[in-house]
Amino acid sequence: LAKTTQPISMDSYEGQEVNITCSHNNIATNDYITWYQQFPSQGPRFIIQGYKTKVTNEVASLFIPADRKSSTLSLPRVSLSDTAVYYCLVVPNRDDKIIFGKGTRLHILP
Amino acid sequence: NAGVTQTPKFRVLKTGQSMTLLCAQDMNHEYMYWYRQDPGMGLRLIHYSVGEGTTAKGEVPDGYNVSRLKKQNFLLGLESAAPSQTSVYFCASSYRGGPLNEQFFGPGTRLTVL
Repeated sequence: LAKTTQPISMDSYEGQEVNITCSHNNIATNDYITWYQQFPSQGPRFIIQGYKTKVTNEVASLFIPADRKSSTLSLPRVSLSDTAVYYCLVVPNRDDKIIFGKGTRLHILP
Repeated sequence: NAGVTQTPKFRVLKTGQSMTLLCAQDMNHEYMYWYRQDPGMGLRLIHYSVGEGTTAKGEVPDGYNVSRLKKQNFLLGLESAAPSQTSVYFCASSYRGGPLNEQFFGPGTRLTVL
């Protein structure tokens, strides 16, 4: 399983764009990059997944460079309700389990 | 649909007591998972199941047992609880494993072992 490295914590202000970068140097050819979000006192929820280039949905954008050794989750114009822990995962095709790691604790300030 | 539900929501045990946590899903998912979450440790996989009647070990399986007798239920058992098992336990399910199959999580069970 590919190991991921992401910042332990980040602070930002309401209305700003927030970018969280994750490194996954030993990502395999068939692996996907997936991000989950966890609000306090709740279970995580899936927010976005990608294989290469750029993926966008109503919540976030995911940027993946050509070498796929890193990825960046972008949250546009954050609000206080975006305060959460964000997990970067590499999801393989060859295994049945995924590793969540410690995530990035994002704190949005007014 | 209720999604993934967990019973109980809270529990306090004394060291050496046993208990079973119940996870139920109504999405007809094949895969189910049990995680524990401790402060600053993120989520760690305890056991998982890829279908009715199957179970497999995750990252931290010691001290826990699981059973998947019915497709919709995944039970996590603590035979002799220890203070180190104080944690928040999350259950999750997915249609299949691998990419393109997101995991859906329950609300969690907060367990304290005294």
